Amino acid sequence: GNSVTQMEGPVTLSEEAFLTINCTYTATGYPSLFWYVQYPGEGLQLLLKATKADDKGSNKGFEATYRKETTSFHLEKGSVQVSDSAVYFCALKYRGIKAAGNKLTFGGGTRVLVKP
Amino acid sequence: DAGVIQSPRHEVTEMGQEVTLRCKPISGHDYLFWYRQTMMRGLELLIYFNNNVPIDDSGMPEDRFSAKMPNASFSTLKIQPSEPRDSAVYFCASSLVRLANTGELFFGEGSRLTVL
Repeated sequence: GNSVTQMEGPVTLSEEAFLTINCTYTATGYPSLFWYVQYPGEGLQLLLKATKADDKGSNKGFEATYRKETTSFHLEKGSVQVSDSAVYFCALKYRGIKAAGNKLTFGGGTRVLVKP
Repeated sequence: DAGVIQSPRHEVTEMGQEVTLRCKPISGHDYLFWYRQTMMRGLELLIYFNNNVPIDDSGMPEDRFSAKMPNASFSTLKIQPSEPRDSAVYFCASSLVRLANTGELFFGEGSRLTVL
């Protein structure tokens, strides 16, 4: 079946440090890939996405590139801020409009703590 | 704009009691999803609806769990009888069909359930 594996946290960084969160997936075919972020006390919200190989998703200084050859979608940010402290979830979904396909499969989440 | 509204935010109950979680999706959204988040299993999709009709309930753990969507603006997730292993954060999410097809869901803040 489909699955998403993320690096375990917590990841603790200092402000302005470089952040990488690894994400790999197992799936048949070519899914769309996503990063969602969950700030403390809030629900998840979409951070960025990529729908095909070599696509790069970006938002709020975060980037992730869809790598089909390594089945990966690692999240990166060059200079983190305290406000980036959150839990980050990698997820996949098959494209298409079949109702049965409208499911996101999430990784376990990676907690990131940025200290001033 | 109001987002997805869930209630209660926190619920503490004793084993064997009935628990009802409520969700009001974003007005106009035609997809509604119930997710459960635990430390052990991460974020799991329990059930989702399209136009108030359950499409996939394969994630519902057992017969103690039931979900309904009597109209486009309200859904419930019921656990009867509750057990300590049901302790988790339950998220409701909604989306439009075109956004759900692209993987963009809008999450509520979650209902944290503790079963003693």
